[in-house]
Amino acid sequence: GNSVTQMEGPVTLSEEAFLTINCTYTATGYPSLFWYVQYPGEGLQLLLKATKADDKGSNKGFEATYRKETTSFHLEKGSVQVSDSAVYFCALIKNTGGFKTIFGAGTRLFVKA
Amino acid sequence: SAVISQKPSRDICQRGTSLTIQCQVDSQVTMMFWYRQQPGQSLTLIATANQGSEATYESGFVIDKFPISRPNLTFSTLTVSNMSPEDSSIYLCSVEEQETQYFGPGTRLLVL
Repeated sequence: GNSVTQMEGPVTLSEEAFLTINCTYTATGYPSLFWYVQYPGEGLQLLLKATKADDKGSNKGFEATYRKETTSFHLEKGSVQVSDSAVYFCALIKNTGGFKTIFGAGTRLFVKA
Repeated sequence: SAVISQKPSRDICQRGTSLTIQCQVDSQVTMMFWYRQQPGQSLTLIATANQGSEATYESGFVIDKFPISRPNLTFSTLTVSNMSPEDSSIYLCSVEEQETQYFGPGTRLLVL
């Protein structure tokens, strides 16, 4: 079946450090891939997405590349800020046989000043 | 992208009571979803609500416990019935637009 696996958190970094949050997926066909961010006390916000292999999604300094050969969609940011502290969810959407979103477990990021 | 609002934003309720959560979208959408997010957990889909048809519930969720209304293309309600402390969660409304899901701010429910 379809699934999404994220690296376990929490991840604790100092400000200006490089961030990688790993995400791998299992799916038949060609899903679209997403990263959502949930700031404390808020709902989920779409951070970025990619709809086909080798696409790179980017937003607010975050990037992720759709790698079909490794079934991965790792989230990266070159220099994190305290305001990036949040929970990050990797997700895939399959729109064949009915619209269905599969979420990863979420990775909590703490950024220290 | 769709802008979604939810009411109430949070509530504290007594066990055995019911709470109805409202979800309003600023555009017409076909598919609306209700999720539950238990503390420190990922999202669990409760049901999919399409206008003009009965909601489709996921395994482990039943209509008697979580009745849903979808009277038009911009509005839906989720009721959490006969609440127990185990129902304490964040409840999130979501819509699909151009093959992407967008979420409301959530309703934080604490059941005592």
